[in-house]
This record gives sequence, structure tokens and C-alpha cells, in this order.
Amino acid sequence: GQNIDQPTEMTATEGAIVQINCTYQTSGFNGLFWYQQHAGEAPTFLSYNVLDGLEEKGRFSSFLSRSKGYSYLLLKELQMKDSASYLCAVKDSNYQLIWGAGTKLIIKP
Amino acid sequence: ETGVTQTPRHLVMGMTNKKSLKCEQHLGHNAMYWYKQSAKKPLELMFVYSLEERVENNSVPSRFSPECPNSSHLFLHLHTLQPEDSALYLCASSQDIQGVTYEQYFGPGTRLTVT
Repeated sequence: GQNIDQPTEMTATEGAIVQINCTYQTSGFNGLFWYQQHAGEAPTFLSYNVLDGLEEKGRFSSFLSRSKGYSYLLLKELQMKDSASYLCAVKDSNYQLIWGAGTKLIIKP
Repeated sequence: ETGVTQTPRHLVMGMTNKKSLKCEQHLGHNAMYWYKQSAKKPLELMFVYSLEERVENNSVPSRFSPECPNSSHLFLHLHTLQPEDSALYLCASSQDIQGVTYEQYFGPGTRLTVT
């Protein structure tokens, strides 16, 4: 079956760095997405990786290793507004998004 | 209006009621999706439409009935629901289904409670 694993919850301190991991087993691979979802709001697109390596976008970076079925989202200089759930999703061979259950990130002052 | 809108934002219904959820996208996209989001569970894809044609129905119970009258509008008709159907229902759109880089844009969701 298809499976996406990510930690349920993480806690970090304002100003620090946090890494959210995602491992996947899917039927085919057409890219990996990270989304951010604040409580009660719509998920919003953060990043997309299809080739191995690191993609950087401001304070957020996303890394992919296809051979290991592994990705991480790195958030630097954490701010209180970064408190949210972070969803990992893989596009499979049928171009469907397979989703993880999300990682709830709690930022403490 | 911009992006993807959904109405209503909150809905409480009894198990014998009939109601409809509405989604509208203002992005000129060709694909639209219905998802169910339950607490601490992955997003569950329910239905996919491409240019008003249904292309995916992931074993969803018949008490959920989608309708896509045009590429900008998507409805989810609900009848005889069960308490376990209580969840956040999200609508999304994307440029197309098969483009690998096409991200999905989500609406704010309808929080449904079945009593």
C-alpha cells in the first residue's frame, strides 16, 4: 500500500530552527509537496521537490532523497506565526496526491 | 473574490437532512477536487473532476453525490449522513490533473457536524 509518515507533533522555540521529516512509500513518484495549514484555515502550498537536493525559499527549505524515500522541511528563525500543521504529500504514478497526517508544530516564546 | 471559495463555512445537519456544499474557483483551473479531513488523519481524496468530467471516485459512499456543472463550480450533495461523516470538507483546484508541478489550491473548507 501507499504510505506517508511524519511526526504527529513537534515543539520548538521562537528564533530557533526545526526540521520536520517525511518518509514515503508510494506507487511511483512525481514529486513531493509541503503544505502549511493554520488551524481552521485552508492548506497553502509551501514547496515542491522532484529532484534530489535542497530547495530554499526564504526561511523555509525542503530537501528530497528519492533513493531513501525521504524529505524534510527546514524552518529557520522561527516565528510565532509558524505555529501550524505541516502536511507532506507525494504525487504518485497516477498523479494523485497521497497525503501524510500532518505534523502539528508548536512554537513557544 | 479570489482563489477558491466554499460555502457554507459551518454546517450542522441531522442524519435525515439533505444539504449541499458549494465550491467556486476563480483561478481558471481545469481540475477540481473534494477532500475529507478528519482530526489526525491524512486528507482523504473523495472526488476528482477534470473539465467537468468525473475522473476519480475513491469508494465514497453513495450518500455523498458530487456535481460539477462547469469548470469553476463544484458541489457536494449530502443525504442520510452518519455521525462519522462529521469532518472538514475541503475543495481544491489545480491547473490540470496530470502536470507534475501543478500544486493544488484549497478553499477554507466546510466544517460539517452530523447530529
